[in-house]
Amino acid sequence: DVKVTQSSRYLVKRTGEKVFLECVQDMDHENMFWYRQDPGLGLRLIYFSYDVKMKEKGDIPEGYSVSREKKERFSLILESASTNQTSMYLCASSYDWGMYEQFFGPGTRLTVL
Amino acid sequence: AQKITQTQPGMFVQEKEAVTLDCTYDTSDPSYGLFWYKQPSSGEMIFLIYQGSYDQQNATEGRYSLNFQKARKSANLVISASQLGDSAMYFCAMRELTQGGSEKLVFGKGTKLTVNP
Repeated sequence: DVKVTQSSRYLVKRTGEKVFLECVQDMDHENMFWYRQDPGLGLRLIYFSYDVKMKEKGDIPEGYSVSREKKERFSLILESASTNQTSMYLCASSYDWGMYEQFFGPGTRLTVL
Repeated sequence: AQKITQTQPGMFVQEKEAVTLDCTYDTSDPSYGLFWYKQPSSGEMIFLIYQGSYDQQNATEGRYSLNFQKARKSANLVISASQLGDSAMYFCAMRELTQGGSEKLVFGKGTKLTVNP
């Protein structure tokens, strides 16, 4: 079974802190994704990566950056956390494009105080 | 404008009955795909079913089927013989091309399904 793991289930940070969210997948998937999920808004794509060191902005990249130094690991970085970044963050991976589904991690609920 | 519209914020169904969750989409690309995911209260997203725009037949996976009406741009999820464990949020998503030539999923806002005993 594909497994996508995220470094923390719950995280509390202060405004202005630099925050790292880590995601690891164990099935050699090419593509990895970061979403945020807010009530009433569904899932919104922040960034994704289709190869090591290759990335593309999603629909809401402002305030975020990403890093993919190894194929299995995709990090989301909040350079200076703000309260409006309080959210559930979901990581996903997929083998390829097209009909291949995305496999999701359990999510990290981030609270910025 | 929303690309994926799920008009039912909440739905209720009796155990063992069938239920249809609505999804309409907006795209001008002839090649696209539609996914349905389930998210129980535990939070994990579970893939249910996929329909490609060129697929001739409606997709089915066990108790899940997709009522794909291309001309109406709808891709409704049908769950037959509902079970208590089907209570969850359900998200419809569409695969679309990005400006960079990759693909991404665009999600609807979801429908919360409650199955009553």
